[in-house]
Amino acid sequence: ETGVTQSPTHLIKTRGQQVTLRCSSQSGHNTVSWYQQALGQGPQFIFQYYREEENGRGNFPPRFSGLQFPNYSSELNVNALELDDSALYLCASSLAGFDGYTFGSGTRLTVV
Amino acid sequence: KQEVTQIPAALSVPEGENLVLNCSFTDSAIYNLQWFRQDPGKGLTSLLLIQSSQREQTSGRLNASLDKSSGRSTLYIAASQPGDSATYLCAVRLGQAGTALIFGKGTTLSVSS
Repeated sequence: ETGVTQSPTHLIKTRGQQVTLRCSSQSGHNTVSWYQQALGQGPQFIFQYYREEENGRGNFPPRFSGLQFPNYSSELNVNALELDDSALYLCASSLAGFDGYTFGSGTRLTVV
Repeated sequence: KQEVTQIPAALSVPEGENLVLNCSFTDSAIYNLQWFRQDPGKGLTSLLLIQSSQREQTSGRLNASLDKSSGRSTLYIAASQPGDSATYLCAVRLGQAGTALIFGKGTTLSVSS
């Protein structure tokens, strides 16, 4: 049973650029959630995808968008990067109707 | 708005000590509460999950309790070891489909040998 895989592990971008982060969910899981964790803070919910549709969203602007694919993998896209977007981005997969989450190791994004 | 607070923010103990980490939440209408462990720069590992109808859960040297009415949970770690050094995060979930985990900022634990 494979866990959640995120790529890339580290990324440096310039303010104003766009970035795409990727997540492969755990085998058997059909729901993917994305979280942003700034240094010294707890993770903050960005959004969740189920059956390729967004079915929950936190307090993040529209320049944060996502996709879920038929194989349940997912992408997080961030447009017009700002310095405050620098953070660890965590992907978590789960199976709808069950309570357990499996988190990936995250992508560390630095915006300069 | 649900808020989760963890006290203390950091804790240093010698190996072998028993310790308690605290988590409080402002809205008692939760679906469940989970404790996670995070090693530096890494993802989260689920430790214990307590449903809203439960009072406690145990796994090895870890025991988590939940008191919904007072909005509190504790994570008890018995006989701490240097390998327990990590940040421990508490998270509440308000419902099922489409709802998020709401995290506290965590308690960073350091266990010295």
